[in-house]
Amino acid sequence: GESVGLHLPTLSVQEGDNSIINCAYSNSASDYFIWYKQESGKGPQFIIDIRSNMDKRQGQRVTVLLNKTVKHLSLQIAATQPGDSAVYFCAENGGSQGNLIFGKGTKLSVKP
Amino acid sequence: KAGVTQTPRYLIKTRGQQVTLSCSPISGHRSVSWYQQTPGQGLQFLFEYFSETQRNKGNFPGRFSGRQFSNSRSEMNVSTLELGDSALYLCASTVLGGYGTEAFFGQGTRLTVV
Repeated sequence: GESVGLHLPTLSVQEGDNSIINCAYSNSASDYFIWYKQESGKGPQFIIDIRSNMDKRQGQRVTVLLNKTVKHLSLQIAATQPGDSAVYFCAENGGSQGNLIFGKGTKLSVKP
Repeated sequence: KAGVTQTPRYLIKTRGQQVTLSCSPISGHRSVSWYQQTPGQGLQFLFEYFSETQRNKGNFPGRFSGRQFSNSRSEMNVSTLELGDSALYLCASTVLGGYGTEAFFGQGTRLTVV
C-alpha cells in the first residue's frame, strides 16, 4: 500500500474500544472543519464536518468536538472496528487562497 | 453517482521530463482542486479550478500548472520533473454543502521521478 506519512503519530486501540483522535488547527479565522479518513492506496474520504458556530456534531459512530478557544478539534470513534484502521486528517478552510489546510494526520491501528 | 476519477494511478518518469495527470470530477461538480501529498509535507494545496478558470493557487513553482475543460474535467502538468516531485497527487471535486465547501477526493496518481 501507499505510505501517507512516515512519522505520523500513531494511536493503537483494541477492537470495540472508543478512539479519540486530536487535531490542533492553525487559523483562528477558520469557520469550517472536516475530518477525513485515508486508507492505504486510497484518497482521503470525507467522514464528518462541523462549522465554527457549533461545539459538537454527531454522525454514525463518530462525533466531532470543536474547541475554538484553544483551536482544537477531536474525532471520537465509538466501538472501533478493524475497518477503522487508517490515517485520519483534520482540515480547516483557513487557507489564504480559500483552500483547505490539512493537518499532518494520525494513524489509527485497531487490534483485533 | 460515480466518484472522482484520476488517471493514471501510477506513473514513473525521469528527471527533466514532463507529465500530465487527469481528473474527472463528480458529475455536476464544477470545481476541482489539486493537492500534493508527501510523507514529509502532508497534503499541500496546488490550485483550484472553477468553470475553466483558475480560482486559487498554492505556493508551488511555475512548473506546476493546470487547466479545466468545459466538461469540468481537469488536468495538471508538471514540467522539468525533479526527484522531489515524487508524490501522490490528489484531485478533489468540491461542492457547497450544508455546512461549507465539501471536498471529495479521487484515489490519486502516484508519481515517481527517477
